[in-house]
Amino acid sequence: DGGITQSPKYLFRKEGQNVTLSCEQNLNHDAMYWYRQDPGQGLRLIYYSQIVNDFQKGDIAEGYSVSREKKESFPLTVTSAQKNPTAFYLCASSNRGGSGANVLTFGAGSRLTVL
Amino acid sequence: DQQVKQNSPSLSVQEGRISILNCDYTNSMFDYFLWYKKYPAEGPTFLISISSIKDKNEDGRFTVFLNKSAKHLSLHIVPSQPGDSAVYFCAATPNSNSGYALNFGKGTSLLVTP
Repeated sequence: DGGITQSPKYLFRKEGQNVTLSCEQNLNHDAMYWYRQDPGQGLRLIYYSQIVNDFQKGDIAEGYSVSREKKESFPLTVTSAQKNPTAFYLCASSNRGGSGANVLTFGAGSRLTVL
Repeated sequence: DQQVKQNSPSLSVQEGRISILNCDYTNSMFDYFLWYKKYPAEGPTFLISISSIKDKNEDGRFTVFLNKSAKHLSLHIVPSQPGDSAVYFCAATPNSNSGYALNFGKGTSLLVTP
């Protein structure tokens, strides 16, 4: 079955530690995205990547970093510079461009809690 | 600044009746509008979309209406079922740049009661 796999599903981190969230897709999609969900805030874009070895900052990129070395993988690192990292993180992918709406397919999410 | 707004945080509807979820936007460059459904601790799933050149799109029990002059769209669910209880997100995207990333509203929590 094609889809997006995020791991771990739950993660606890001490303040001052970096943590990396994994996102792998086997949909052969070109574009990948990271969103963050907070209660009452909807989904906010952190980073996105249209092709391998290229990525762009979203609306709330500060304190985060990404890499896109392979088409299938788009890991997100939450650094100690992120002031309020406790949140639900969602990875998504899509076939960019072309006609029609850009429908994003989402993973199941990763819940990060900073202790 | 929030470009996609869902001003009703929650909505309660009886089973069998119509659910109407509303969404407003500010960016006239948005070309496509999408609705997603989300259960707690899961990723959103795509429901239905509409192009800015249309005013209605229907898929089974779900219909999306777009009023471009008012920068307003709505999702109608008829008839509503208890399994429709979830958070619904409105999203929009311009047809160029921004990596086609979606701009999401804050969501409306729908509760369908038996």
